Amino acid sequence: GDSVTQMEGPVTLSEEAFLTINCTYTATGYPSLFWYVQYPGEGLQLLLKATKADDKGSNKGFEATYRKETTSFHLEKGSVQVSDSAVYFCALLIQGAQKLVFGQGTRLTINP
Amino acid sequence: ETGVTQTPRHLVMGMTNKKSLKCEQHLGHNAMYWYKQSAKKPLELMFVYNFKEQTENNSVPSRFSPECPNSSHLFLHLHTLQPEDSALYLCASSQDSQGVYGYTFGSGTRLTVV
Repeated sequence: GDSVTQMEGPVTLSEEAFLTINCTYTATGYPSLFWYVQYPGEGLQLLLKATKADDKGSNKGFEATYRKETTSFHLEKGSVQVSDSAVYFCALLIQGAQKLVFGQGTRLTINP
Repeated sequence: ETGVTQTPRHLVMGMTNKKSLKCEQHLGHNAMYWYKQSAKKPLELMFVYNFKEQTENNSVPSRFSPECPNSSHLFLHLHTLQPEDSALYLCASSQDSQGVYGYTFGSGTRLTVV
């Protein structure tokens, strides 16, 4: 079935470090791919998305490129801030399937 | 304010109680969803409603009963729950059931069953 696998957390970095959170997927069709972020005590917020191969989603300094050949959608940021501390979820949506499938989430902590 | 409002934010209930969770959106979206978020598990889709009609029930036990009176409101009625039902229950909406523009989530209801 359709599934998303994220790198195991938690991830702890120092401020201004480079961030990569790996995400790979398995899908029977041609999915749209998403990254969501969940800050403490809140719901999920859409961070960025890509709807077809080679698309790059970007927002708030975060980027992810839809790589069909490696079935990946890794999240990157060049210089993280303490305020980026949150749980990050990779997700896929199959056209017509009516549901967003999430990875298990990766907790990110940024230390000053 | 995310556009999707969930009440209450926290709920503690006994196993014999009956309670309801409420979700409201004024984004003009036509699809609404209930998700369950448990510790150390991926988010689990529970129910999907599209134009007030339930289009998916992801093998959810009958002690969870959804209701969608209109496209802006979604309820989750709870009765005779088990302690393992303790979790964060998230409501989401999307423009349509394809969801290609992404979902908008509420802040969730933290449910504790004692």
